Amino acid sequence: NAGVTQTPKFRILKIGQSMTLQCAQDMNHNYMYWYRQDPGMGLKLIYYSVGAGITDKGEVPNGYNVSRSTTEDFPLRLELAAPSQTSVYFCASSQSPGTSGRDTQYFGPGTRLTVL
Amino acid sequence: DAKTTQPPSMDCAEGRAANLPCNHSTISGNEYVYWYRQIHSQGPQYIIHGLKNNETNEMASLIITEDRKSSTLILPHATLRDTAVYYCIASLYNNNDMRFGAGTRLTVKP
Repeated sequence: NAGVTQTPKFRILKIGQSMTLQCAQDMNHNYMYWYRQDPGMGLKLIYYSVGAGITDKGEVPNGYNVSRSTTEDFPLRLELAAPSQTSVYFCASSQSPGTSGRDTQYFGPGTRLTVL
Repeated sequence: DAKTTQPPSMDCAEGRAANLPCNHSTISGNEYVYWYRQIHSQGPQYIIHGLKNNETNEMASLIITEDRKSSTLILPHATLRDTAVYYCIASLYNNNDMRFGAGTRLTVKP
C-alpha cells in the first residue's frame, strides 16, 4: 500500500492563480481530510469528507473548495490564490467511526505552497 | 474539543525516558486523549490514545490521571529519531475536526 499520496510536493503560485492539490489513498478509507499548517503552528482543518459525494467544512474553509467523487480521491481546489494561503497542506484519511482504525488518521507527506 | 496545554519545548537525553505532559482540565467524560507527533516537516503520525485507563503500545505509554485533567506520554527509551513536535488532543471518538495545537517540540540529545 502506498498509503496517502499527495501531488505536487512543492508549488509557487502568483496571486489570483488557481490550482488543485491532489490527494489519493489506497486503504479504502471512507474519511478524508485536508489540513493546512502555517509556520510554527499546529494543523487547522479546512474540509473533510465522510464518503464519496459528502463533504463538510472544517475550521478554515474560506478560499477553498473540495469534491469527493470516488473513495480514493479528495482534491482541494484554490480558486484565487492569496498570499495568506501560503502554507503546507496535508491530506489525511481514516476508517469510519466504530471500526478499529478510526483512532488513527494517516497523513500524506504534504504539499508546500507559496503564493507570491 | 477540550483545550489542551503543553509546554512549548523539552529536551531529553538519548536512551532516557521522555515524559511529555499535557493538561486538559476541561475534558468531558466522553472525550479521548490522542497523541500524534510530527517529525520535521512530515505529516503527523498517530502514537496512542486513551479514555480513562493507562495505555501502552509498541511506541509509547499513556498515563491519564484519575480525574482525567492531565496526562503524560512516555517514550521509554528515547532515540534521536524521536526528535519531533508532539501533539496532545482531547477529542470525541467520532469527531471529524481534531484540533492540533502548537504541541511540544521534543529534542533528544546524544
